[in-house]
Amino acid sequence: DGGITQSPKYLFRKEGQNVTLSCEQNLNHDAMYWYRQDPGQGLRLIYYSQIVNDFQKGDIAEGYSVSREKKESFPLTVTSAQKNPTAFYLCASSAGRNYEQYFGPGTRLTVT
Amino acid sequence: LAKTTQPISMDSYEGQEVNITCSHNNIATNDYITWYQQFPSQGPRFIIQGYKTKVTNEVASLFIPADRKSSTLSLPRVSLSDTAVYYCLVGEALSGGYNKLIFGAGTRLAVHP
Repeated sequence: DGGITQSPKYLFRKEGQNVTLSCEQNLNHDAMYWYRQDPGQGLRLIYYSQIVNDFQKGDIAEGYSVSREKKESFPLTVTSAQKNPTAFYLCASSAGRNYEQYFGPGTRLTVT
Repeated sequence: LAKTTQPISMDSYEGQEVNITCSHNNIATNDYITWYQQFPSQGPRFIIQGYKTKVTNEVASLFIPADRKSSTLSLPRVSLSDTAVYYCLVGEALSGGYNKLIFGAGTRLAVHP
């Protein structure tokens, strides 16, 4: 929504497979974020990037990897090392740290 | 370890004012306090942001005391469509000068007819 797209909306994978979630923004924002949300829970930060070619781990980075080769793109890879990957994944972007974060519609990942 | 805390849930009726408080006793000096609204299976949506005292926009007010260790989101005259989860987001000061952005666990607001 509002310039942030995430695809696909629903994703199904078999256990042991890596999967990459897409996040694109056309808001010209420097900062981008990935959050994980489990049913009935709040948002937990996985990774964030303040600028191209730079990113930092959030609270729950284990089993995930990211890249930031372009300003508008911040893909998240859920690796087979992530023990409980089934969750709702949200991407966001902002002009900077103390600016409003714009969220995408989310990707619901189910791993069986 | 300091953390951001909010009430788990609140109930209200249409037309009433709702106040949701977030405690953040280790807020970073330079960071703002931001509140978001989330409906099921959607991304959160920005409501309001402030640094100190009071901020008001067309949908809400935000009250921040001088010590900034808490903030209160005020929703005037709620309607059924305000039923949602509300999150506060603050920067938490950590050692080494590094600040971490942290979402509260969220307050589930139910508005009844």
